[in-house]
Amino acid sequence: EAGVAQSPRYKIIEKRQSVAFWCNPISGHATLYWYQQILGQGPKLLIQFQNNGVVDDSQLPKDRFSAERLKGVDSTLKIQPAKLEDSAVYLCASSLRYGNEKLFFGSGTQLSVL
Amino acid sequence: GDSVTQMEGPVTLSEEAFLTINCTYTATGYPSLFWYVQYPGEGLQLLLKATKADDKGSNKGFEATYRKETTSFHLEKGSVQVSDSAVYFCALSHTGFQKLVFGTGTRLLVSP
Repeated sequence: EAGVAQSPRYKIIEKRQSVAFWCNPISGHATLYWYQQILGQGPKLLIQFQNNGVVDDSQLPKDRFSAERLKGVDSTLKIQPAKLEDSAVYLCASSLRYGNEKLFFGSGTQLSVL
Repeated sequence: GDSVTQMEGPVTLSEEAFLTINCTYTATGYPSLFWYVQYPGEGLQLLLKATKADDKGSNKGFEATYRKETTSFHLEKGSVQVSDSAVYFCALSHTGFQKLVFGTGTRLLVSP
């Protein structure tokens, strides 16, 4: 079965610019997650969707980050404007349903903000 | 809040050596505990999990036992291979919430 797809693989931008990341979860997976992994740290949950509704966005910096999952399938995470401290790997994951603890992760998008 | 602490890496071993990566946690209640592995260039993959005290998770020769009395979930393997070289993450979640809290990861390097 196809895994979680993410693009782009790498992105380099200057501070104050905007950037968007795309994620396509495994077909049929109802729950989708965006994690931020800063170098030397473990992944941190930014936002969790159940179908096209937000379940948890308590750690999403809403003044600059936004995410959507229209139609409950693929998802886009946007940063506008970017700051230096946003440099990180952005991981997308999906699971079959809410309460199913097995997450499948994509390879991530590595963002460098200069 | 919940947190996971892992031993610092890198852990450098020769092939066939015994592996232990320490993991301790702080959490309310009875979380589920996980080990995820990230091979170079790939996404994180679930390696094993345990959902209650004294449970042992195992997969691919790796084992970890949920020790509530010491709040630990140490990862072990009796004989590592070069192909085990990766970053290993310990994590916890509360059943039904799915919000994984990860440790900082431990890099394992196995030489022939």
